[in-house]
Amino acid sequence: DQQVKQNSPSLSVQEGRISILNCDYTNSMFDYFLWYKKYPAEGPTFLISISSIKDKNEDGRFTVFLNKSAKHLSLHIVPSQPGDSAVYFCAASAKGNEKLTFGTGTRLTIIP
Amino acid sequence: GAVVSQHPSRVICKSGTSVKIECRSLDFQATTMFWYRQFPKQSLMLMATSNEGSKATYEQGVEKDKFLINHASLTLSTLTVTSAHPEDSSFYICSARVPTSGEKTQYFGPGTRLLVL
Repeated sequence: DQQVKQNSPSLSVQEGRISILNCDYTNSMFDYFLWYKKYPAEGPTFLISISSIKDKNEDGRFTVFLNKSAKHLSLHIVPSQPGDSAVYFCAASAKGNEKLTFGTGTRLTIIP
Repeated sequence: GAVVSQHPSRVICKSGTSVKIECRSLDFQATTMFWYRQFPKQSLMLMATSNEGSKATYEQGVEKDKFLINHASLTLSTLTVTSAHPEDSSFYICSARVPTSGEKTQYFGPGTRLLVL
């Protein structure tokens, strides 16, 4: 039972353009969402998070949007840079619970 | 962000031996640490939650007698893979949350690649 899904296993974007990574979830108890970036053979690096009381959070080139009614969140990266090439995981946590449930990841490739 | 280290980064062992992996929070005290496993091209799967001074909480399907977790101090948790077999070969990653942050963000270590021959 995959409670957090990233339906696009890969995405290629031209350098300088906007990268949009999507994530869907099924558990209505999730109230905190995070995006992580991961390189091969390394641990995930935290990028940005959002609480369910918000619908948008922005940090530099990264913006996360949350649509609670659709149980959908997205990560926007603009402008995309070659160093952004990595696997991106969304994760979610339920109310009163510290555990994170991860999506399956999307491999982002930025084309110079 | 908070810094979490892991040691070793890579280990190769013979089938039947035990392997210990250390996870340390370097600039904060972590009452709770988490252990994940990632198989190639798959997501991170939570194995267990490590609580300082008490027993770890294991996820369904994870054998607690095989994956021994000890969280003896506020900055160190260890995962011991006992009697390792080739199917235990995987990438093991720990994480910790800053308890004073009020947030659920987990910060991850660099991971340990285990290869059992």
